[in-house]
Amino acid sequence: SAVISQKPSRDICQRGTSLTIQCQVDSQVTMMFWYRQQPGQSLTLIATANQGSEATYESGFVIDKFPISRPNLTFSTLTVSNMSPEDSSIYLCSVEDQGEKLFFGSGTQLSVL
Amino acid sequence: GNSVTQMEGPVTLSEEAFLTINCTYTATGYPSLFWYVQYPGEGLQLLLKATKADDKGSNKGFEATYRKETTSFHLEKGSVQVSDSAVYFCALRSGSARQLTFGSGTQLTVLP
Repeated sequence: SAVISQKPSRDICQRGTSLTIQCQVDSQVTMMFWYRQQPGQSLTLIATANQGSEATYESGFVIDKFPISRPNLTFSTLTVSNMSPEDSSIYLCSVEDQGEKLFFGSGTQLSVL
Repeated sequence: GNSVTQMEGPVTLSEEAFLTINCTYTATGYPSLFWYVQYPGEGLQLLLKATKADDKGSNKGFEATYRKETTSFHLEKGSVQVSDSAVYFCALRSGSARQLTFGSGTQLTVLP
């Protein structure tokens, strides 16, 4: 099974600033996913990040707001730009490994004041 | 599009009680179905899965059967423990898509 290290685990940020979340995997994986879990709600896919190509964003999410990097097969970052209180959520990195198994990081709890 | 409808919580049970968390889905084609669990302070973990109709996924005493006729994948456990207290998410993956569509999650609290 893949082990995912995600950091920071939590942060409190000021409105208008940006935060970059890192996701490190202990094995090479092709597909990495970034999800958002808003308070009291389910997980929503933000984008899919494949190494060597631009991320694919879901409806309602844009690259200018959530730029993603995927420099190699074990690492990705998600930036939440120009934050507002509505961006307060848990952000989760996920990878696919061994067929249909998806593994998740422990998440980044973001609070925007 | 795909969607997952999950029983609303929170659910509070006494230890050794029977647990059912309902999950129904809408999907094109024949999706794979999953239950994930999120323990306090931890990431989501795959609990069990089923990839075709009438398959039963099971793990740690939990079971769920893929019912195509009722488009359901209800989670059950015969005797819950305090350590089962967590949030449970039903999810599906359909067609060639690699990402999951999640239900809203159900918070389970088991009291001693």
